[in-house]
Amino acid sequence: EAGVTQSPTHLIKTRGQQATLRCSPISGHTSVYWYQQALGLGLQFLLWYDEGEERNRGNFPPRFSGRQFPNYSSELNVNALELEDSALYLCASSSPGLVYEQYFGPGTRLTVT
Amino acid sequence: RKEVEQDPGPFNVPEGATVAFNCTYSNSASQSFFWYRQDCRKEPKLLMSVYSSGNEDGRFTAQLNRASQYISLLIRDSKLSDSATYLCVVKGGSYIPTFGRGTSLIVHP
Repeated sequence: EAGVTQSPTHLIKTRGQQATLRCSPISGHTSVYWYQQALGLGLQFLLWYDEGEERNRGNFPPRFSGRQFPNYSSELNVNALELEDSALYLCASSSPGLVYEQYFGPGTRLTVT
Repeated sequence: RKEVEQDPGPFNVPEGATVAFNCTYSNSASQSFFWYRQDCRKEPKLLMSVYSSGNEDGRFTAQLNRASQYISLLIRDSKLSDSATYLCVVKGGSYIPTFGRGTSLIVHP
């Protein structure tokens, strides 16, 4: 069974640009979570999508947004990039009824220069 | 007080040792608890859920103490391959998980 996949693996942007990160969940999983892991910090919850809808978001500014598609894949968009947005962005998926057990993708490392 | 706190370590132990980590949480209404493992520059992987009655999976034992609001992870007979960062995760009724910053374990020969 294929795991959670994310693309791209690495992304380099300049300040002020926009970044788009993509995530494909495990087949059969309907929930997708996005996290930011900055160097030396723990995972910070960004967004939760389930069945195509945003269910909750963490304490991040509105320039962090996303969506979930009918096939349950998801996209994270970060507008007006700032230097401190440089981090590893992790996507996790979980199956219906087991939202507590999350399976993570390998992440996208975003570098803002 | 942070929502979820862990001793960052590192815990440096020889092969075969027994090591234990604690994780404290501040929200008494928290409902679900987990331990994840994260290898260097890799994604976190679910290690085990923590049940009220405690649970064991091979060399790993997880326990929950609701009265004192902490969970623990015990690793017996440590292997070199156990070297990693162990993340504590706490979830409340909102389904939003809160991760601790992790405890680093180094097992040496």
